[in-house]
Amino acid sequence: KAGVTQTPRYLIKTRGQQVTLSCSPISGHRSVSWYQQTPGQGLQFLFEYFSETQRNKGNFPGRFSGRQFSNSRSEMNVSTLELGDSALYLCASSPAQPREGQYFGPGTRLTVT
Amino acid sequence: GENVEQHPSTLSVQEGDSAVIKCTYSDSASNYFPWYKQELGKGPQLIIDIRSNVGEKKDQRIAVTLNKTAKHFSLHITETQPEDSAVYFCAVRPESSASKIIFGSGTRLSIRP
Repeated sequence: KAGVTQTPRYLIKTRGQQVTLSCSPISGHRSVSWYQQTPGQGLQFLFEYFSETQRNKGNFPGRFSGRQFSNSRSEMNVSTLELGDSALYLCASSPAQPREGQYFGPGTRLTVT
Repeated sequence: GENVEQHPSTLSVQEGDSAVIKCTYSDSASNYFPWYKQELGKGPQLIIDIRSNVGEKKDQRIAVTLNKTAKHFSLHITETQPEDSAVYFCAVRPESSASKIIFGSGTRLSIRP
């Protein structure tokens, strides 16, 4: 079974721009979660989607948003990029409930200049 | 909200020796405790998990113990090998927010040849 895939793997953007990251979960997985990883703050939960509905959200500003499609693929969007948004953005999928175990993709490395 | 503390932040052990990483959590209702291994350039990989109705779980050289009364859990790696070098994260899923996971700050494990 193919793992979680994320595109693109690397991205360089300028302050003020917006960006969209994509995640394809493991086949059959319906829950997709997004995390931001930085050296200073570690791994922080952004949001989780299940059946196209956001079930939970972390403590991030409204510039961070996401959505999930009927095939469980998910996208996250960051508008008005700031330097502090530079991070590794990780997507994780699980069958139904995240308590069943989450499986991470390789991440998208976003650099904001 | 839930808070997870992980120690030590760095750990260096001789190849063949054991390594132990400890985590404490604050929410006594938390019921799922996974451990992840992250190698350079990759997303976190689920290596073992334990649920609150179990005190210990073993998988070959890896074991996790859980003390619900004291609210702490530990990862034990025996007979360490060079490929065990990575960053390890403990995590907790709070009962109050079943669709999100809270990560510890990570332990960088180095295996000396």
